[in-house]
Amino acid sequence: DAKTTQPPSMDCAEGRAANLPCNHSTISGNEYVYWYRQIHSQGPQYIIHGLKNNETNEMASLIITEDRKSSTLILPHATLRDTAVYYCIVRPTDSWGKLQFGAGTQVVVTP
Amino acid sequence: SQTIHQWPATLVQPVGSPLSLECTVEGTSNPNLYWYRQAAGRGLQLLFYSIGIDQISSEVPQNLSASRPQDRQFILSSKKLLLSDSGFYLCAWSEQGVSEAFFGQGTRLTVV
Repeated sequence: DAKTTQPPSMDCAEGRAANLPCNHSTISGNEYVYWYRQIHSQGPQYIIHGLKNNETNEMASLIITEDRKSSTLILPHATLRDTAVYYCIVRPTDSWGKLQFGAGTQVVVTP
Repeated sequence: SQTIHQWPATLVQPVGSPLSLECTVEGTSNPNLYWYRQAAGRGLQLLFYSIGIDQISSEVPQNLSASRPQDRQFILSSKKLLLSDSGFYLCAWSEQGVSEAFFGQGTRLTVV
């Protein structure tokens, strides 16, 4: 069962902010929202995660709506190296590192 | 710091031949370990996970098996490869408890 819904693709201009949406309307109270990305032919890379509050790190910001049914990953200044497939994943707190990946969003950053 | 090593990077094997992919983690102890597979044009599928030595769970029935002979070593094996075993195999680890998973660089397996 798909627990998250993401657009299949989106383009972003280099230097602009990229806002990646994710719907998780059936999220449970004990489930975190995780974001990973996979650059072509490489292993996935952890970006950020959150439960209720908005989070920010050196890579991105995560905005979670108050009802937790959707979230947005923000790449503040996209570069060409940010071209990748971005995965939004919801994971219960007790599922350790078991991640169920969906199809993700193919983000292409253009000059 | 922790590192994960996975080899080989690429592998071409004939149908019916055996397979052994190895993954090791450094800089941590008693990690959770995982094997994922990504078939061409598809998403990542969790194959096996392990919470300790000789403690392995399979997520999907398949032609593959996994073993964890040492705390930080995870091996993916097959006795006889099928064409459908082709794909990108990724090893990952996480700390015990709630945490993110860290992935190796993967092995691209082509069965011919």
